Amino acid sequence: EAGVTQSPTHLIKTRGQQATLRCSPISGHTSVYWYQQALGLGLQFLLWYDEGEERNRGNFPPRFSGRQFPNYSSELNVNALELEDSALYLCASSLVVSLSYNEQFFGPGTRLTVL
Amino acid sequence: QKEVEQDPGPLSVPEGAIVSLNCTYSNSAFQYFMWYRQYSRKGPELLMYTYSSGNKEDGRFTAQVDKSSKYISLFIRDSQPSDSATYLCAMSAYNTDKLIFGTGTRLQVFP
Repeated sequence: EAGVTQSPTHLIKTRGQQATLRCSPISGHTSVYWYQQALGLGLQFLLWYDEGEERNRGNFPPRFSGRQFPNYSSELNVNALELEDSALYLCASSLVVSLSYNEQFFGPGTRLTVL
Repeated sequence: QKEVEQDPGPLSVPEGAIVSLNCTYSNSAFQYFMWYRQYSRKGPELLMYTYSSGNKEDGRFTAQVDKSSKYISLFIRDSQPSDSATYLCAMSAYNTDKLIFGTGTRLQVFP
């Protein structure tokens, strides 16, 4: 069974540009999560989508946005890029079966570099 | 103060050693506690999951949660060079899938 896939692997942009990152969840999973892993800061929760709806949002400015498509794949858009947006962006997916704990499976990430 | 604190290391141990990794947290709403392992240039993979307080063992790995002290630990017995990776603790409250991660501890096991 294929795991979570992300594209592109690497992305280089300049300040002020926009970046679009893509994620395909494990087949059958309806929830997609986005995390930012910046150097020295660990993983920071960005966004959670389930069944096409945004369920929760982390403490990030509105220029970080995303969406989930009918096939449950997802896009993360970052507008007006700043140097500190340089990080590894990780996508995870899960099958939501309870209100308690649903294991999240992570993709390999997209390395975004802002020059 | 961060919600979850974790010593970044690096931690360097000889093969066969017992490794202890720890996290402290401040949010008493956390009910679910996880340890992830992340190899270089890879996404994190779930190692252990524990609900509320107590111990859980899986092979060479033991996870402990002490909610009264807001302290969690991961023990690795008979450590192997293949255990060299970054170990991340993560936590969540009931009725949310939002995970709060520690910064990760880099572990190196040398032969």
